[in-house]
Amino acid sequence: EAQVTQNPRYLITVTGKKLTVTCSQNMNHEYMSWYRQDPGLGLRQIYYSMNVEVTDKGDVPEGYKVSRKEKRNFPLILESPSPNQTSLYFCASSRDRATDTQYFGPGTRLTVL
Amino acid sequence: AQTVTQSQPEMSVQEAETVTLSCTYDTSENNYYLFWYKQPPSRQMILVIRQEAYKQQNATENRFSVNFQKAAKSFSLKISDSQLGDTAMYFCAFMKHAGNQFYFGTGTSLTVIP
Repeated sequence: EAQVTQNPRYLITVTGKKLTVTCSQNMNHEYMSWYRQDPGLGLRQIYYSMNVEVTDKGDVPEGYKVSRKEKRNFPLILESPSPNQTSLYFCASSRDRATDTQYFGPGTRLTVL
Repeated sequence: AQTVTQSQPEMSVQEAETVTLSCTYDTSENNYYLFWYKQPPSRQMILVIRQEAYKQQNATENRFSVNFQKAAKSFSLKISDSQLGDTAMYFCAFMKHAGNQFYFGTGTSLTVIP
């Protein structure tokens, strides 16, 4: 089944404790992206990647890191999480660019205390 | 940065009726793409419809159609014969033709009333 998977689905952590949210797709997609969703703000793009080893900042990259060492994986790293990073995070992938249909993961609910 | 505005935080419609969701955007680009994504209570984001700015014909997907007014920078979504399964948050989104960054609006929560 074609899908985008994220882990964990739910995470509660404390300020400053490094964490990684994994994202994996099995569709051989070139484009992958991370978004955060906050009430009243919609979805905002954090980082995106056009291909292996190619990543670019989105609208709200501060406090986040990403890597794209393999085509299928695009982990989101929070080196020192803060409470303002409490949010719902979505990973997405599409065949070539975001103009193609983006397939979204199920979301990761992160709470930083 | 591009901006996408959805001025209706919440809307409701009777089952089988028609509803229109509004979206405006701000850009200096001439060529770009516009999208409507749906997020049902399951939180899974689903593409509803896509419009390329250089195409004058409005996109249609079954019961979903758009009214694209390029000069007015308006991109509304019309849902005909509303069904209970249409209950969801709807997001309007924008992407430049030559870019790779994606911009969402703040969303409209639509409730279909039986």
